[in-house]
Amino acid sequence: SAVISQKPSRDICQRGTSLTIQCQVDSQVTMMFWYRQQPGQSLTLIATANQGSEATYESGFVIDKFPISRPNLTFSTLTVSNMSPEDSSIYLCSVGTGADEKLFFGSGTQLSVL
Amino acid sequence: GENVEQHPSTLSVQEGDSAVIKCTYSDSASNYFPWYKQELGKGPQLIIDIRSNVGEKKDQRIAVTLNKTAKHFSLHITETQPEDSAVYFCAASPVNDYKLSFGAGTTVTVRA
Repeated sequence: SAVISQKPSRDICQRGTSLTIQCQVDSQVTMMFWYRQQPGQSLTLIATANQGSEATYESGFVIDKFPISRPNLTFSTLTVSNMSPEDSSIYLCSVGTGADEKLFFGSGTQLSVL
Repeated sequence: GENVEQHPSTLSVQEGDSAVIKCTYSDSASNYFPWYKQELGKGPQLIIDIRSNVGEKKDQRIAVTLNKTAKHFSLHITETQPEDSAVYFCAASPVNDYKLSFGAGTTVTVRA
């Protein structure tokens, strides 16, 4: 499986500010995704990070709030914009290698918004 | 869309006993069913998965069974150990579609 590094691992932010989370993979991967895990909850897909084009967002998530970049096959960023306390969650990068359906997750970014 | 239900939400077992977690799904097009283990402060780790052309799969102390007719699948952990304590998530997706639908999770506590 690919080694997935996420930065930062945690952060405490003030409301109204933005945070950019980075995801670096040690090999080229076909698929990259961003998930949110609210406190004590399950995982919800935010968007698919498409290489060289705009991300594909799931229902309930919009580009203005969660802009995503994917400049190449090993790197992606997720920005959480104009944060409010409701954005306090774990944000997870995940990748699929394309060889099968297996999805692997990074260690996550624990975000707290005050 | 796919709806995955997972039971129980919490499970406490004595070390050495077995633990069973059950999931049901709604979309008959789903045919890939992974299980993830998430320890505190870490991302989910894929521990086992099964595809619809297989009824059962084993990996050491972990096994997964699938009943496609009834649309349910289960995770079985035998001879539980304290390090099995974690939150376990089931998920489902159609083949060649990475968009997993996750269950709500089961918090497993293994008592020494």
